[in-house]
Amino acid sequence: EAGVAQSPRYKIIEKRQSVAFWCNPISGHATLYWYQQILGQGPKLLIQFQNNGVVDDSQLPKDRFSAERLKGVDSTLKIQPAKLEDSAVYLCASSYRTALNTEAFFGQGTRLTVV
Amino acid sequence: AQTVTQSQPEMSVQEAETVTLSCTYDTSESDYYLFWYKQPPSRQMILVIRQEAYKQQNATENRFSVNFQKAAKSFSLKISDSQLGDAAMYFCAYRSGATNKLIFGTGTLLAVQP
Repeated sequence: EAGVAQSPRYKIIEKRQSVAFWCNPISGHATLYWYQQILGQGPKLLIQFQNNGVVDDSQLPKDRFSAERLKGVDSTLKIQPAKLEDSAVYLCASSYRTALNTEAFFGQGTRLTVV
Repeated sequence: AQTVTQSQPEMSVQEAETVTLSCTYDTSESDYYLFWYKQPPSRQMILVIRQEAYKQQNATENRFSVNFQKAAKSFSLKISDSQLGDAAMYFCAYRSGATNKLIFGTGTLLAVQP
């Protein structure tokens, strides 16, 4: 079974530029999560999708961050414009919805550096 | 809102010894799941063990076991016979049974001394 795919692995941009991250979840997984993980901290949930609908985006800075999940499959997370404090690893995870005990599977993340 | 707290930023254990990582959580829900994830330097988050809130029996996976105290809202991880490969960040996580929302604690960095 293929895992959660994320790209790019690394990205360096200047502040005020825009950037986009892509995630392809495991086939059949209805739930998709995006997390922001600042160095030395735990993952912070930015947005949760159920199929192509948003379940929770309470911690997404909506003035600069946006996310979509096309046709309930892959997803993109965008930052525009980026700030220095956005430097972090962005993790994507997916899971089944119907069996709540199943684990969430994670991609390897995208490390963003804003200079 | 649910919260997860890990009060030990760093822990150290000798190889072959036993170590316990602490986690407490807060929730008003009755239906939820708890997890411990391991994150090595490669950043790949890996599931270590899971516990259903409705089960009284503590989960066990080989050298890893949990002490789930539902009334105290405590969920600690015990690693027996520690190995060098166990060195990593360990995150406690809570998953809502109602919304499927998955949140994490701040993590514990475990060092294993040879």
